Amino acid sequence: QKEVEQDPGPLSVPEGAIVSLNCTYSNSAFQYFMWYRQYSRKGPELLMYTYSSGNKEDGRFTAQVDKSSKYISLFIRDSQPSDSATYLCAMSSRTNAGKSTFGDGTTLTVKP
Amino acid sequence: DAGITQSPRYKITETGRQVTLMCHQTWSHSYMFWYRQDLGHGLRLIYYSAAADITDKGEVPDGYVVSRSKTENFPLTLESATRSQTSVYFCASSESFESSYEQYFGPGTRLTVT
Repeated sequence: QKEVEQDPGPLSVPEGAIVSLNCTYSNSAFQYFMWYRQYSRKGPELLMYTYSSGNKEDGRFTAQVDKSSKYISLFIRDSQPSDSATYLCAMSSRTNAGKSTFGDGTTLTVKP
Repeated sequence: DAGITQSPRYKITETGRQVTLMCHQTWSHSYMFWYRQDLGHGLRLIYYSAAADITDKGEVPDGYVVSRSKTENFPLTLESATRSQTSVYFCASSESFESSYEQYFGPGTRLTVT
């Protein structure tokens, strides 16, 4: 069983919709929770990260971490066609020698 | 150019050949990583390096060799390419152990082994 599970989708929504992307994990040592965005044929880029539990907001994006449930989410408000990409969650811990563990990614399409 | 670059961007090679993928970063980041990305498997870590001359295995190291004689370069060598190594390869870097949660990725190398 994978340490990080992510629903691959694909997910298709109309423009303006609220999008919810989720990951679950099994390693309770994870302390950093990241979301990367990857456009087609490009490298992933860090969208936002959260340390430990709680919420973090950045414009239309909100990241939530629930360590008790080992569940993280990324919400996108007022989704735009430019948000169409693959979203990868990633996690790391201070005991993991600087490495991150990635989910498989969820492919999102926002239709105009 | 500033940032992290990979070369070649596309490569076709034959089974059994040796091939080297290059990665160069201009930030003097301590950490560098090599991943492969395949459908259904996401990003899988091949090797990583905490500093020049310090490398360690990741999740899928078999068939690959790395070296890091200079901080800015982290080449990945496939000693004898196999079809199962057909993939997209990404190099990444992070500034330090403390900021290792923030990785910067290169544009990728698409490798096809025939």
